[in-house]
Amino acid sequence: GENVEQHPSTLSVQEGDSAVIKCTYSDSASNYFPWYKQELGKGPQLIIDIRSNVGEKKDQRIAVTLNKTAKHFSLHITETQPEDSAVYFCAAIENTGNQFYFGTGTSLTVIP
Amino acid sequence: EPEVTQTPSHQVTQMGQEVILRCVPISNHLYFYWYRQILGQKVEFLVSFYNNEISEKSEIFDDQFSVERPDGSNFTLKIRSTKLEDSAMYFCASSVIREAEAFFGQGTRLTVV
Repeated sequence: GENVEQHPSTLSVQEGDSAVIKCTYSDSASNYFPWYKQELGKGPQLIIDIRSNVGEKKDQRIAVTLNKTAKHFSLHITETQPEDSAVYFCAAIENTGNQFYFGTGTSLTVIP
Repeated sequence: EPEVTQTPSHQVTQMGQEVILRCVPISNHLYFYWYRQILGQKVEFLVSFYNNEISEKSEIFDDQFSVERPDGSNFTLKIRSTKLEDSAMYFCASSVIREAEAFFGQGTRLTVV
């Protein structure tokens, strides 16, 4: 099955700086890669996703890049704000599967 | 905005007891999932459900677990004889199609004592 690795496990940045979280996956058949933000006591909320036919996607301060050859994808948050502080999970699903494989999560702290 | 709702938010049960966790997926969604998250760990897949049957399940989803969609709106996870290691946050999710955004509920925190 798919194996998703995520780094770093914790990340602290100053408000206004950028944050980058990286994930790798093992199954070349994976074709959909969502990123979820989980705030304390809440369920994961989708913040951005990318499909394997696209190399980059941007939504305001958030962007995701995908390198299919290297089997890795990254989340980029620019101009970070304190409300960006949360745990972020990457995930992957392959084109015939029915489950998301999640990374281990990154706890992001934005210091005011 | 449509959302996935789960009840109860917190359930405490004694080891060996049966629990039923309830979920109301988003109404036009066709795929339903249960995931769990042990404190501080990653979100783990339990089971997916489509067209009134299990489409995929993980090794975690053994014979003590079962799922049901009893009335076309609710989606339940039953744990027949709870163990201490079943203590976790359980998330229900639903999606319109298989490879698409999965909306997660707020979770049910299960504590087995």
